[in-house]
Amino acid sequence: GQNIDQPTEMTATEGAIVQINCTYQTSGFNGLFWYQQHAGEAPTFLSYNVLDGLEEKGRFSSFLSRSKGYSYLLLKELQMKDSASYLCAVNTNAGKSTFGDGTTLTVKP
Amino acid sequence: DVKVTQSSRYLVKRTGEKVFLECVQDMDHENMFWYRQDPGLGLRLIYFSYDVKMKEKGDIPEGYSVSREKKERFSLILESASTNQTSMYLCASSLETAGLDTQYFGPGTRLTVL
Repeated sequence: GQNIDQPTEMTATEGAIVQINCTYQTSGFNGLFWYQQHAGEAPTFLSYNVLDGLEEKGRFSSFLSRSKGYSYLLLKELQMKDSASYLCAVNTNAGKSTFGDGTTLTVKP
Repeated sequence: DVKVTQSSRYLVKRTGEKVFLECVQDMDHENMFWYRQDPGLGLRLIYFSYDVKMKEKGDIPEGYSVSREKKERFSLILESASTNQTSMYLCASSLETAGLDTQYFGPGTRLTVL
């Protein structure tokens, strides 16, 4: 079966750095995605990792360790607009993606 | 920019009704997906399609069917709606069949079955 775990909720302060972890056990692995979803809106793509290591994209970075079944999303210089749910998704060999339940991040002033 | 549209943002139906949810994408993507999203359960795949007239069951296909007569349109059908199908329904599309491909989501349809 497919299993993706991420924390349910996190809180951080504006201007700070926050790390959202994701662990996975899936049958097949083709890459790992991170999506951002604001309340009442559709998920939008943030980043993906295929190989081990860190991918940086402005204030957002994502890390992958395939041997550990582990990824994290790092958000720097937090802004109030970063308050959202962050979804970890694994793309399997079947071409489908299995999503985690999402981590709701609240950024406080 | 990729645009994925869904026919309704909010829908209220009665138990036993037949419900059609429509999804259209304008970027000539081969792959289309239907998910439902429920609190505490995340996004769950109902059905997906890799090509016209082709469909594959996802993780929770029971009570649903789909239709893909044209490449740009993917319809989700609830043959006889039940209250446990009250949910947010999200359509998505992507370009590649195999390998890494980003999914682009529609705005979602919040369906309430009374």
